[in-house]
Amino acid sequence: QVQLQESGPGLVKPSETLSLTCTVSGASISSRNFYWGWIRQPPGKGLEWIGNIYSSDSIFYNPSLKSRVSIYIDASKNQFSLRLSSTTAADAALYYCATSVVVTPPAIPDYDFWSGPFDYWGQGALVTVSS
Amino acid sequence: SYELTQPSSVSVSPGQTATITCSGDALPRQYVYWYQQKPGQAPILVMSKDRERPSGIPERFSGSASGTSVTLTISSVQTEDEGDYYCQSGDGRGPSPVVFGGGTQLTVL
Repeated sequence: QVQLQESGPGLVKPSETLSLTCTVSGASISSRNFYWGWIRQPPGKGLEWIGNIYSSDSIFYNPSLKSRVSIYIDASKNQFSLRLSSTTAADAALYYCATSVVVTPPAIPDYDFWSGPFDYWGQGALVTVSS
Repeated sequence: SYELTQPSSVSVSPGQTATITCSGDALPRQYVYWYQQKPGQAPILVMSKDRERPSGIPERFSGSASGTSVTLTISSVQTEDEGDYYCQSGDGRGPSPVVFGGGTQLTVL
C-alpha cells in the first residue's frame, strides 16, 4: 500500500515561493510503475491539478500554472517536491500529493499516459498566503 | 480552457438511486475517473475508465458513458455515500491531460 505525506510551511508571504514536499512510503519514487502529482483545493472549492512527474525526467504542468511551477524528485529521500513562485492569495489552498499506478511503463510518456487516475492521495497540507 | 460540467448538487433519500453526470466535448475520446471526497478527507477513486470499479468500492457504484456525457450511478444509496464527487478527464490532446469537474455535492436526505 502506497502512502504519501505532505509537509512544508503552512504560511507563505505574498510574492514569495511556496515549497512543499511529499514523502512516499510503500513504493520507490524512482519506480517506473508510478507517476507522482500535485493537486490543490482552495477552501470550499474544487480540485485543481498542478502537475505530474515521472521518473525524474518527464514532467507535465498545468498550462495555467506552468510559468510559476516546478516539480522535482529527490530519490535519496524518496520524496518529490513542489515549488510555486510569485504567490498570491489565490494560491491559498489545501495541497495534495498523489500517485498514479503505471501498468505498462512507456518508453516515452505521451498525452494519454498523463491522463490516468490518481490512485493514492496524501492527507493534504494547508497553505495560507498572507503577510 | 477545457471544462468538465457537473451538477452542483444532487439529493436522494436512502435506498434510492443517485446519478451524477459529467459532460465535456472530449469525453467520447477520453476516459473519465470519479472521486468521492468526504469532509476533511482526501479524495478516493471510486470509478476508473468510465465504468471500472476499483478494488474495495461497493458494487452499488457503477459508471456509464454516452457521447459527451459520463454518468456515475449509486444504487441503493446509503448515508455513508454522502459527500462531494469529482470527475476527472483530459481535454483530448490539448494542453491539459488532467482536468477536474467542478464537483457535485451528494446529499442523502
